[in-house]
Order: sequence, then C-alpha cells, then structure tokens
Amino acid sequence: QTVVTQEPSFSVSPGGTVTLTCGLSSGSVSSSYNPSWYQQTPGQAPRTLIYNTNTRSSGVPDRFSGSILGNKAALTITGAQADDESDYYCVLYMGSGIWVFGGGTKLTVV
Amino acid sequence: EVQLVESGGGVVQPGGSLRLSCAASGFTFSTYWMTWVRQAPGKGPEWVANIKKDGSQKYYVDSVRGRFTISRDNAKNSLYLQMNSLRAEDTALYYCARYTGYDFDSWGQGTLVTVSS
Repeated sequence: QTVVTQEPSFSVSPGGTVTLTCGLSSGSVSSSYNPSWYQQTPGQAPRTLIYNTNTRSSGVPDRFSGSILGNKAALTITGAQADDESDYYCVLYMGSGIWVFGGGTKLTVV
Repeated sequence: EVQLVESGGGVVQPGGSLRLSCAASGFTFSTYWMTWVRQAPGKGPEWVANIKKDGSQKYYVDSVRGRFTISRDNAKNSLYLQMNSLRAEDTALYYCARYTGYDFDSWGQGTLVTVSS
C-alpha cells in the first residue's frame, strides 16, 4: 500500500520562508495526483489552502503557494506569520476514487 | 452558508454497529459528491469514503471496505455512514465533507466514535 509522506515537523522564523513536501513511498508525485494542502489548528476541521497542485482556495493569503518540486508536491509559505503555526496535510488522488492523506507536518513559527 | 452537521457518534463495543448521519444545508446537496473523513486522537485525517451525487458510485479505504457503507438521501439533504463490525482502530472523530471535484471544501464539526469494551 502506497504511503503519502510528509516531514513530521518543521520550524520557521517569523518572516521566513518554508517549503513543506509531500511524497510517495513508491514513485513520484505529479499533477495527475491532484495534490491539495490543508491547514488544521487544534479543535478545528481542516481547511483547504491549495488544490489542483497550485490553486489557492478562496480567502487564502498569497503567501501560500503550491507546486511540484522534483518528485514531490510542495507547499511554500513565504513570509511566515505566527498564526501559520498549525498542522499541514497534503492529500493525493490515487485513482479509482481513492484519496490518501499524508501524515502531516507540524509547523512551528519561532 | 454551507453547513454540515454530523450526529450519531458514541461508545460502542468491538463488533458493534453505529450509523452516522450528516445533515447538509446552504447548498444544493444533490449536485455534490460527499465524503467521510475520520481522525483518530492525535493523528492526521484519513479519507474513509466518497459517494457520487446520485449515490451510484461509492469508494472506500481498504480498511473499512466490506464493513462500512456510505449512502445518501438527496430528498433529505443527508449523508450517512453505516459502520458494522467496529474495531478499536475505528475510534476517531468522523467528519462529513463536501467534495467539489478538486478538494474537500466544507467540513462539519465531527462526531466522535469510540470503540471500546
């Protein structure tokens, strides 16, 4: 069974730039996997940041961007702010109606 | 405003059954695929099942296929998840979510299912 991989944790300084990645235990991520990114804060449901690799969801600040970097999907936060401290999850479409979430990255802004 | 309200969670013994419901409002329910996503305590979300607008296609994660059944009633703007043969590892907060074809753009607040003897 294919596993979607993410860095367990990452740290960024306020105002800094960080890139979180989303890979596969076997194979490369491409746009055909329709990667999307979700942000979740404690006690809240996830909310969409990015879908279709690089399309920002309505109301999402433009400091969030999505891309494919090498063989992974990537979420870049440019000019990180304190309230970006959250858990971030990528989701990939595996075909045949199946979606798989990654294990998530806990981002700390310090 | 899109609203999704889950209900039906609770404590159940291993091997037992529960039926979750999700009441939808604020959008034309019959024009969207719908989804169940669960999140075990301290873990990340896990996609569980999807159902097509008219209920004619259903997809499941391997770990629940054959035990869980997703269904919908478009006349009642409601989504359901029948869960049978429950296991301890099914313990989670269960969310219903609207699927746009690109993302899960609206979520409920979740209903907690605890499988324990």
